[in-house]
Amino acid sequence: AQTVTQSQPEMSVQEAETVTLSCTYDTSENNYYLFWYKQPPSRQMILVIRQEAYKQQNATENRFSVNFQKAAKSFSLKISDSQLGDTAMYFCAFMNRFGNEKLTFGTGTRLTIIP
Amino acid sequence: DADVTQTPRNRITKTGKRIMLECSQTKGHDRMYWYRQDPGLGLRLIYYSFDVKDINKGEISDGYSVSRQAQAKFSLSLESAIPNQTALYFCATSSMGSNYGYTFGSGTRLTVV
Repeated sequence: AQTVTQSQPEMSVQEAETVTLSCTYDTSENNYYLFWYKQPPSRQMILVIRQEAYKQQNATENRFSVNFQKAAKSFSLKISDSQLGDTAMYFCAFMNRFGNEKLTFGTGTRLTIIP
Repeated sequence: DADVTQTPRNRITKTGKRIMLECSQTKGHDRMYWYRQDPGLGLRLIYYSFDVKDINKGEISDGYSVSRQAQAKFSLSLESAIPNQTALYFCATSSMGSNYGYTFGSGTRLTVV
């Protein structure tokens, strides 16, 4: 079974600064997807970014980028030029590319952007 | 209208009561899921369904049951609610082979008193 670990329960950063959220995972699979979801106070789950394990290039979406280290099974999220609207819970998640395609989540990191 | 609709949005119920949480989707996805979110535990899978006739238990199915009434509808029932079932419940959908993760509903906050 896959496991996803987020070791930072809470983080805070000044507005406009850069912050990195950590995520590690454990799997015996070779083909899979990794995701970061954002959950603002509205509680909606919003997909931030996704990474395909068979692609070496790190995914980027505007101010959001990942550092995907497949050998180390690490998948960190970097938020550049942080904004007040980035305040939220962030969940890392894993999905097998083949098979049952269930999403396995980490325990989350609560990020607060300080004005 | 939302792609994945959950009702009710919030609910308070008493211990021992039966309660049903409903989920409907307009995405046309074949797969539907129920997750539970607790502080410090993230989201954990309760049940999932890949088709109307295909229902599977997740990691924390005890005390819950589900019904896939139609391709677009997937309900979660608590037969006899207990306080430790107080949580935020999410319904989600996906299509087979989709590599974009899930589409989530807006959640149902359930409190059992």
